[in-house]
Amino acid sequence: NAGVTQTPKFQVLKTGQSMTLQCAQDMNHNSMYWYRQDPGMGLRLIYYSASEGTTDKGEVPNGYNVSRLNKREFSLRLESAAPSQTSVYFCASRDPGTKSGNTIYFGEGSWLTVV
Amino acid sequence: EDQVTQSPEALRLQEGESSSLNCSYTVSGLRGLFWYRQDPGKGPEFLFTLYSAGEEKEKERLKATLTKKESFLHITAPKPEDSATYLCAVQANSGGYQKVTFGTGTKLQVIP
Repeated sequence: NAGVTQTPKFQVLKTGQSMTLQCAQDMNHNSMYWYRQDPGMGLRLIYYSASEGTTDKGEVPNGYNVSRLNKREFSLRLESAAPSQTSVYFCASRDPGTKSGNTIYFGEGSWLTVV
Repeated sequence: EDQVTQSPEALRLQEGESSSLNCSYTVSGLRGLFWYRQDPGKGPEFLFTLYSAGEEKEKERLKATLTKKESFLHITAPKPEDSATYLCAVQANSGGYQKVTFGTGTKLQVIP
């Protein structure tokens, strides 16, 4: 049982380039999330998908877009990368309708550097 | 606005030296308070969820407690493998189910 899998693990981009971070979960969870983690700051929510077919902005959505491809997959796209988007990105999922619905399960992270 | 403040930022303990990590929070109605462990280069790993003041949960050398204003993560006789960053997070009744506010963490180092 892999849990939440995200790719790539590491990526270096030049300013203005675009890229997509991929995420998949095998726990049949309805809700999926993208967070970023920066030094001295807590995890901040970028976008979330409460269920398949829906997406909503989180705390820091500017410069990002997301796609909930199906129940398993939730991707994050940077259309024109900026140095301020250098960060560690975490995909996560949970299933609010279950007994353990408050538990958020995280992926291993994607380290993104924009130069 | 929901706020979570963790202290200390960093803590260095000798193996076997018990201590506590603090998580102070301000929310308009607490739905749940979460503790996570994060190892370097890894994603956060769930430890506990606490729902109401007075609640306590234990797992091996860790014990989490909750009051109306703060939560403590007590570490009893820590071992080097307990070294990690410990994150606290809260979910409020307001702001929608999806909003979880994280603290910046306490980095724990346990020295053999």
